[in-house]
Amino acid sequence: GEEVAQTPKHLVRGEGQKAKLYCAPIKGHSYVFWYQQVLKNEFKFLISFQNENVFDETGMPKERFSAKCLPNSPCSLEIQATKLEDSAVYFCASSQSTGAGNQPQHFGDGTRLSIL
Amino acid sequence: QKEVEQDPGPLSVPEGAIVSLNCTYSNSAFQYFMWYRQYSRKGPELLMYTYSSGNKEDGRFTAQVDKSSKYISLFIRDSQPSDSATYLCAMHLSGGYNKLIFGAGTRLAVHP
Repeated sequence: GEEVAQTPKHLVRGEGQKAKLYCAPIKGHSYVFWYQQVLKNEFKFLISFQNENVFDETGMPKERFSAKCLPNSPCSLEIQATKLEDSAVYFCASSQSTGAGNQPQHFGDGTRLSIL
Repeated sequence: QKEVEQDPGPLSVPEGAIVSLNCTYSNSAFQYFMWYRQYSRKGPELLMYTYSSGNKEDGRFTAQVDKSSKYISLFIRDSQPSDSATYLCAMHLSGGYNKLIFGAGTRLAVHP
């Protein structure tokens, strides 16, 4: 599609439960990025993919967070054993890979995760 | 110290005013600079995308990058109530596959 599509828009989980978020990048975009937006607009980078391969995972809390981008499926971000501090809006972005130069990242509208 | 500093505001201006938004950064390796607009409960929307130093204009928006001072600006001319949003600066190293480093965002309110 022409937009980054994220589902669900809002997800509520009890502390300790699993949460799974999905992202369909813009068609033709090779790179997918996940960011976490916490209070006061602070964006934190989590992980990026080039197609189905992890490109940069330096921001991932590896103990409970995992992510995948499989062929012909939406990308996913999964949080095991959620904690109150995981409450945030999770944004997915995608960008195009071209030989002509760099391309900007385009964002979806996010998934608001609330941990109770 | 944060890599990118941005005054969170809020900034309140009357309709028709010229708005100036700014960010400073510490990493001289940043090559690409962006401004995003974010409305409440929506994702960041790309406004301007610039490479290295210089100016770029698009309609009522002008982006400036001064790499020698590690300072970037966004100017909005003839501001409208519909411009009321949070404005985020972001930047990354050379290579569009690199992660974005964001400023904290500036909340702007344009009142009629």
